[in-house]
Amino acid sequence: DAGVTQSPTHLIKTRGQQVTLRCSPKSGHDTVSWYQQALGQGPQFIFQYYEEEERQRGNFPDRFSGHQFPNYSSELNVNALLLGDSALYLCASSLRQGRQPQHFGDGTRLSIL
Amino acid sequence: AQSVAQPEDQVNVAEGNPLTVKCTYSVSGNPYLFWYVQYPNRGLQFLLKYITGDNLVKGSYGFEAEFNKSQTSFHLKKPSALVSDSALYFCAVREHKPDRGSTLGRLYFGRGTQLTVWP
Repeated sequence: DAGVTQSPTHLIKTRGQQVTLRCSPKSGHDTVSWYQQALGQGPQFIFQYYEEEERQRGNFPDRFSGHQFPNYSSELNVNALLLGDSALYLCASSLRQGRQPQHFGDGTRLSIL
Repeated sequence: AQSVAQPEDQVNVAEGNPLTVKCTYSVSGNPYLFWYVQYPNRGLQFLLKYITGDNLVKGSYGFEAEFNKSQTSFHLKKPSALVSDSALYFCAVREHKPDRGSTLGRLYFGRGTQLTVWP
């Protein structure tokens, strides 16, 4: 049973560029959440998708956008990259109903030069 | 507003000794509480959760946590530490609002506690 998978594992971009990160949820899960983990910090919630719609959003600018596909996989897009966007981006999946925890992928390490 | 505090950036303990990693939380409704562990260059791995019921929760790898509502704490414990337990530990809270009919919700994380177990 595959867990949450994310791609790519590492990415290097320059300021002003755009990036797309991808996530496949754990089998059977229907909800995907994205988190940003800066160095030395705890993960910060970006947004959550369910039924292909953004359901909740954290305190992130509109440069951060996402999408969920009918197969429940998800993408995170970041436009006009800033140096401060350098971080580990984590995807977590879960079931909308129930009390089960969110399961995390190993993340995408994004470095902005 | 929801928040989590992990007052210790680092915890050092000798192998075989008991360990405690502290966590306090603040939520406006009923809390769902979680502990996750992160190894270098990896994502977060779920250890245990408190939803309701017994205040002492048992999880993976011999870890347990005690929920204390009056102190709004959820400390992680292990009776006998192993060197392999050395990692970064995160406490997280999710607010549960049963009147909304769903447990869909974001997680609020603490800053993390680096646990080092020395031989």
